Amino acid sequence: DVKVTQSSRYLVKRTGEKVFLECVQDMDHENMFWYRQDPGLGLRLIYFSYDVKMKEKGDIPEGYSVSREKKERFSLILESASTNQTSMYLCASSKTGTFGKETQYFGPGTRLLVL
Amino acid sequence: AQKVTQAQTEISVVEKEDVTLDCVYETRDTTYYLFWYKQPPSGELVFLIRRNSFDEQNEISGRYSWNFQKSTSSFNFTITASQVVDSAVYFCALSEAGNYGQNFVFGPGTRLSVLP
Repeated sequence: DVKVTQSSRYLVKRTGEKVFLECVQDMDHENMFWYRQDPGLGLRLIYFSYDVKMKEKGDIPEGYSVSREKKERFSLILESASTNQTSMYLCASSKTGTFGKETQYFGPGTRLLVL
Repeated sequence: AQKVTQAQTEISVVEKEDVTLDCVYETRDTTYYLFWYKQPPSGELVFLIRRNSFDEQNEISGRYSWNFQKSTSSFNFTITASQVVDSAVYFCALSEAGNYGQNFVFGPGTRLSVLP
């Protein structure tokens, strides 16, 4: 089975802090994704990566950065956390395929509260 | 532009009732994939089904069934004889063929509550 793990289930941080969210997958997937989930807005893509050291902006990259130094690990960084970044953060991974067919597999999510 | 609409924000049913969750999508591609995911209270999105645009056969898996109709751009999900464990948020998603980044477009989700 595909396993995607996230470093924390719950985090509480203060405004202005630097926050690291870690995601690890064990299925040798090329693609990894970071989403945030907010009530009524569904899942919105922040960044994705299709290879080591490669990254692409998603729909809402402002205020975030990412790092992918190893194939299995994809980190989301909030350089200076703000209260409007309080949200549920979901990591996902998938194989590289054709015609958009590859399923994304998700981690358990991190609920981040910024005070 | 690609878009997924789930018009039902919340649905409540009593256990053993049948319930259908609607999903309508927009895409210009002729080749695309549709997905359904379940998000229980624990938070993790669980993959339920994938369907490609060339396969309009309905699918049944136990109490779950999916009705894909290209003519109406819909991919609806029915739970038969619902159970309390079906309570979750359900997401429909679209992935297009020219999509080498494998990006999905998700609908806003439908929260299903199954009452005992």
